[in-house]
Amino acid sequence: GQNIDQPTEMTATEGAIVQINCTYQTSGFNGLFWYQQHAGEAPTFLSYNVLDGLEEKGRFSSFLSRSKGYSYLLLKELQMKDSASYLCAVDQAGTALIFGKGTTLSVSS
Amino acid sequence: GAGVSQSPRYKVAKRGQDVALRCDPISGHVSLFWYQQALGQGPEFLTYFQNEAQLDKSGLPSDRFFAERPEGSVSTLKIQRTQQEDSAVYLCASSLLAGGPGETQYFGPGTRLLVL
Repeated sequence: GQNIDQPTEMTATEGAIVQINCTYQTSGFNGLFWYQQHAGEAPTFLSYNVLDGLEEKGRFSSFLSRSKGYSYLLLKELQMKDSASYLCAVDQAGTALIFGKGTTLSVSS
Repeated sequence: GAGVSQSPRYKVAKRGQDVALRCDPISGHVSLFWYQQALGQGPEFLTYFQNEAQLDKSGLPSDRFFAERPEGSVSTLKIQRTQQEDSAVYLCASSLLAGGPGETQYFGPGTRLLVL
């Protein structure tokens, strides 16, 4: 079967750092995506990892360990506008994405 | 526009009605995907087109769901005889190439369907 797990909710304060974890068990693996989704809006692309290691992109970084079936999204210098749902998705076969349920992040002042 | 657009943004249907949801992908994008997102859940795959060919429809929940992309651009998702469990946000996404590792999918804002 296939399973993607991420925490349901997280809270943090402005200026802080937060790490959102994702573990996966899928029959195939062609990489892992992170998307951000504000309420009522389209998911927007944040990052893609296919090789082990850390990819840094401004305030956001994403890490992948294929051997452990594990990824995390790291958000630094949190801002109120970062309050959103963060979706972990596995590219299993080069076409459809398999999504986790999403982690709702609330940033407070 | 530069992004994926969907219409209508909101649709209320009575149980048993047929509905049609439209997706305009980014111009020139070969691949088009439909996903269903229930409240508080991640998107779930419904179907995939490469140009006008429907290559994967394994995620369609029943034969009441039908999708088409006759000219390889605009796509329509049709749901016949809607049921309350069909209430969800229907997301459309497109990607530039014909599938392959790392192809980023760009999502539209979705159609929120409520079946009463």
